[in-house]
Amino acid sequence: DAKTTQPPSMDCAEGRAANLPCNHSTISGNEYVYWYRQIHSQGPQYIIHGLKNNETNEMASLIITEDRKSSTLILPHATLRDTAVYYCIVRSPMYSGGGADGLTFGKGTHLIIQP
Amino acid sequence: DAGVTQSPTHLIKTRGQQVTLRCSPKSGHDTVSWYQQALGQGPQFIFQYYEEEERQRGNFPDRFSGHQFPNYSSELNVNALLLGDSALYLCASSFLRDFQETQYFGPGTRLLVL
Repeated sequence: DAKTTQPPSMDCAEGRAANLPCNHSTISGNEYVYWYRQIHSQGPQYIIHGLKNNETNEMASLIITEDRKSSTLILPHATLRDTAVYYCIVRSPMYSGGGADGLTFGKGTHLIIQP
Repeated sequence: DAGVTQSPTHLIKTRGQQVTLRCSPKSGHDTVSWYQQALGQGPQFIFQYYEEEERQRGNFPDRFSGHQFPNYSSELNVNALLLGDSALYLCASSFLRDFQETQYFGPGTRLLVL
């Protein structure tokens, strides 16, 4: 699975949009981009994933660049409860021959929402 | 619909002992993966179980073993505990035939080895 690079920390004001970047310049054509977050001492929470098209769900939006070398997770109206470590993960789909099926977590971005 | 559940929530053991952690997957899921998360680090993949067999394994010694039951629940066993095994142990469940196999995590079991 391709490696990802994320800033170690970011601040965002409550009520504003939080934009979390992720670089995955070595991503392969069939690899998906996944986002998880982990609030202190809890299990990681799935947020969203995508292949090439932009995706939106009730939690967030995922914008993937046309060359797929980077992506941005957008939390449209951040609240204090969004303070967490956000992980960007690139992963091959099942049966693609792309390595172990476990998720490879990096250090993520610690997003702090300021009141 | 209950999500992924794990037990116990916390556990204290001493070096050399053995421990068993338990996981019940989300309804409709048939696959369980286990992860270890040391303090300040991201989770690391231990192994994955499907159809009661270990499918994939990360870089962990064979002191770490597991089991999956016919109802898809799973156990993680760690033998000959070391101080360095102190960590949050996470279970994630998924549906293997889902091409994208999104994994959903439980709250974790925090293990302290003294």
